[in-house]
Amino acid sequence: DAEITQSPRHKITETGRQVTLACHQTWNHNNMFWYRQDLGHGLRLIHYSYGVQDTNKGEVSDGYSVSRSNTEDLPLTLESAASSQTSVYFCASSAGGSSNEQFFGPGTRLTVL
Amino acid sequence: QQQVKQSPQSLIVQKGGISIINCAYENTAFDYFPWYQQFPGKGPALLIAIRPDVSEKKEGRFTISFNKSAKQFSLHIMDSQPGDSATYFCAATNTGTASKLTFGTGTRLQVTL
Repeated sequence: DAEITQSPRHKITETGRQVTLACHQTWNHNNMFWYRQDLGHGLRLIHYSYGVQDTNKGEVSDGYSVSRSNTEDLPLTLESAASSQTSVYFCASSAGGSSNEQFFGPGTRLTVL
Repeated sequence: QQQVKQSPQSLIVQKGGISIINCAYENTAFDYFPWYQQFPGKGPALLIAIRPDVSEKKEGRFTISFNKSAKQFSLHIMDSQPGDSATYFCAATNTGTASKLTFGTGTRLQVTL
């Protein structure tokens, strides 16, 4: 069955370190998204991609970067982790076109000490 | 700038009761309004969605009511069950933006016995 996976599921890191969160989908979806979820803020869009080599900034993109070298993967990199980036991160994908439904991964809980 | 406002932040309903969650939006270009359900430790999943050409959509015990002139929409859960206990997010998008969703801040629903 097609799915979307994230790794690691839990990560503890130190301030200033570079961290990469992986996202892999097997639906062959063109669109992929990264969100962070924080209490009181809901889901906020970090970066998104509409296809290979395409990346766009969301509303909370500072300190994050993504790259899209193939259809299946959209890794999220925190260049220099900060305590304010402690959060739960969700990756999602959608087919685009007439389908607006986004399929979410299980999330990565990141703690920056 | 929060384009989708959701209330209440939390809700406790007795089993068999009606749960009502409200959302208001600002962007009149939005033309697709989904609700996502999220259980603890899981990613959000699409529950039900509506487009502004109808005022109501019902799927089982879940109903979306939509008021285009007031720019408001709400989720009604009839005969609420303990298994409905979850966090609910409303969202909105302009389908011309390739499914980039703007989410509300979420409502944590607890259905008691």
